[in-house]
Amino acid sequence: GAVVSQHPSWVICKSGTSVKIECRSLDFQATTMFWYRQFPKQSLMLMATSNEGSKATYEQGVEKDKFLINHASLTLSTLTVTSAHPEDSSFYICSARDTSGNTIYFGEGSWLTVV
Amino acid sequence: GNSVTQMEGPVTLSEEAFLTINCTYTATGYPSLFWYVQYPGEGLQLLLKATKADDKGSNKGFEATYRKETTSFHLEKGSVQVSDSAVYFCALSEYQAGTALIFGKGTTLSVSS
Repeated sequence: GAVVSQHPSWVICKSGTSVKIECRSLDFQATTMFWYRQFPKQSLMLMATSNEGSKATYEQGVEKDKFLINHASLTLSTLTVTSAHPEDSSFYICSARDTSGNTIYFGEGSWLTVV
Repeated sequence: GNSVTQMEGPVTLSEEAFLTINCTYTATGYPSLFWYVQYPGEGLQLLLKATKADDKGSNKGFEATYRKETTSFHLEKGSVQVSDSAVYFCALSEYQAGTALIFGKGTTLSVSS
């Protein structure tokens, strides 16, 4: 079946640094990818919708200058957390919608810890 | 706007008990409905889905029927196992609008032997 891969699976970074998370669709093309954030024992909060070749659409309350999203190809979207702070520590999950059907596939998620 | 409401958890059951997790939705169009499962420390896995009214999604003994008249998509399983312990999320998506999945808050299921 279709696979969405996220990398890294977990990362620890220092406050003030930036960290990039990649989301790849491995065996299908995804014109649209979505980035979610999940706090412990809570639901997924949609951060932004990423369309290949265009600017991402951010949800209300999500800082676009802090969470930079790039969707440069039909198989890759990246989320860069800039000037990270401890409150940015969270589980980040991407998903990709395939172009041929009504299916959304999720990545395995990336644990970010900012110390 | 669109939204999903799930029953509050946690749900604690003994092995082989019957499971129901309620889910209702609000949508402006004709959404597809999904149940996802998340095991501890992992990402989400699609459990089942239904794309139109009266469709029944089923997988691994779980099933849910898309009820347009009651705007519901309740998850059921006749006999749960310890390995079913996880967090279950109900979600909807309006594919035609190209929108993301909207998730409920999730229901934690704990099954004991």
